[in-house]
Amino acid sequence: TQLLEQSPQFLSIQEGENLTVYCNSSSVFSSLQWYRQEPGEGPVLLVTVVTGGEVKKLKRLTFQFGDARKDSSLHITAAQPGDTGLYLCASGYSTLTFGKGTMLLVSP
Amino acid sequence: NAGVTQTPKFRVLKTGQSMTLLCAQDMNHEYMYWYRQDPGMGLRLIHYSVGEGTTAKGEVPDGYNVSRLKKQNFLLGLESAAPSQTSVYFCASRTIGTGETQYFGPGTRLLVL
Repeated sequence: TQLLEQSPQFLSIQEGENLTVYCNSSSVFSSLQWYRQEPGEGPVLLVTVVTGGEVKKLKRLTFQFGDARKDSSLHITAAQPGDTGLYLCASGYSTLTFGKGTMLLVSP
Repeated sequence: NAGVTQTPKFRVLKTGQSMTLLCAQDMNHEYMYWYRQDPGMGLRLIHYSVGEGTTAKGEVPDGYNVSRLKKQNFLLGLESAAPSQTSVYFCASRTIGTGETQYFGPGTRLLVL
């Protein structure tokens, strides 16, 4: 089973700040997914990255897949309170292994 | 479409009691999953199913049983609840294929006293 390490575990910032969270593994990812989970709800898929070096943008969110496909990052520009939530990375074929997540709190 | 629904939303059990959590999806997905989420532990897979009539163990299957008698439903059973099973349980489903989206239900909060 592939182990996914996410950092930081917790991040508290002010509205308007930029931030980056990371997902790393000791083995190669076949593909990697990023989910966001808002308080009291189930996770919702943000993006899937497949190709090494791939960069995907979703409004103010930029996802990058490492060239060696062992790491990924999520960068948020000008964070807003609505970005508050648990950000999870996951990888796998028929089943997914999830990282423990980064809890992001954006204060007004 | 309702997507993935879970019943009940919240339940309190006494140690030793049994219960069944119901997951239903209306997207005609082949794969269905049960996870538990505990503080600091992330999402851990309990059991999953790759099709009607099939089930398989995940990372933390002990103390749970599952059934997939109909394609749209996936049941999670606790035969004799223990305080260690206090958690939030999520069901998910997805279609066949690599990198496909897992769609999650809203969760069931279970407290075992």
